Amino acid sequence: DAKTTQPPSMDCAEGRAANLPCNHSTISGNEYVYWYRQIHSQGPQYIIHGLKNNETNEMASLIITEDRKSSTLILPHATLRDTAVYYCIGSAHYGQNFVFGPGTRLSVLP
Amino acid sequence: GAVVSQHPSWVICKSGTSVKIECRSLDFQATTMFWYRQFPKQSLMLMATSNEGSKATYEQGVEKDKFLINHASLTLSTLTVTSAHPEDSSFYICSARPPRGRYQPQHFGDGTRLSIL
Repeated sequence: DAKTTQPPSMDCAEGRAANLPCNHSTISGNEYVYWYRQIHSQGPQYIIHGLKNNETNEMASLIITEDRKSSTLILPHATLRDTAVYYCIGSAHYGQNFVFGPGTRLSVLP
Repeated sequence: GAVVSQHPSWVICKSGTSVKIECRSLDFQATTMFWYRQFPKQSLMLMATSNEGSKATYEQGVEKDKFLINHASLTLSTLTVTSAHPEDSSFYICSARPPRGRYQPQHFGDGTRLSIL
């Protein structure tokens, strides 16, 4: 798995966009960028993943830089229920287990 | 709905007891499942990779005789913590990896909180 670096914590005002950065400068060509989040006392929840192109689903958008060395997860309208630890993981689509770093603790404030 | 079901969600037992945790893949047949452990305020740490029909692969430092893994079917993996002691108290989480060619992400169970008294 590629080593990823994320800020340990971030705050975001409720209703505003939350932009969570992730550096993965050693990511290899066949490794995807995955984002999961973990709400207290629950298992990680899948959010989104991508390889090269930007991706969007009902939960979030993923912006990957052209050189693939970093990415940003965007929660367009953060709610209090988005308060969680967000993990960015670089992993090949098949064949590798996930290596979890410390993630970013996002606090959405009222 | 849940793609991976984990049971029980919470268990308290006496020291010396063996505890079995089940992990079921509900949406696809998973030849590979993973078991993680998470201590308070820490990230998930991979314990072992569970392979259907073969022996599990354990991470360095994880005692295979202590943490028995059985992956007898394509939808069920079990983790048995044998002769559990207070230091085994933790949050145990499983995940299922979709089969090759099925482009879905890995899905996680909701975890089992194990407390050994």
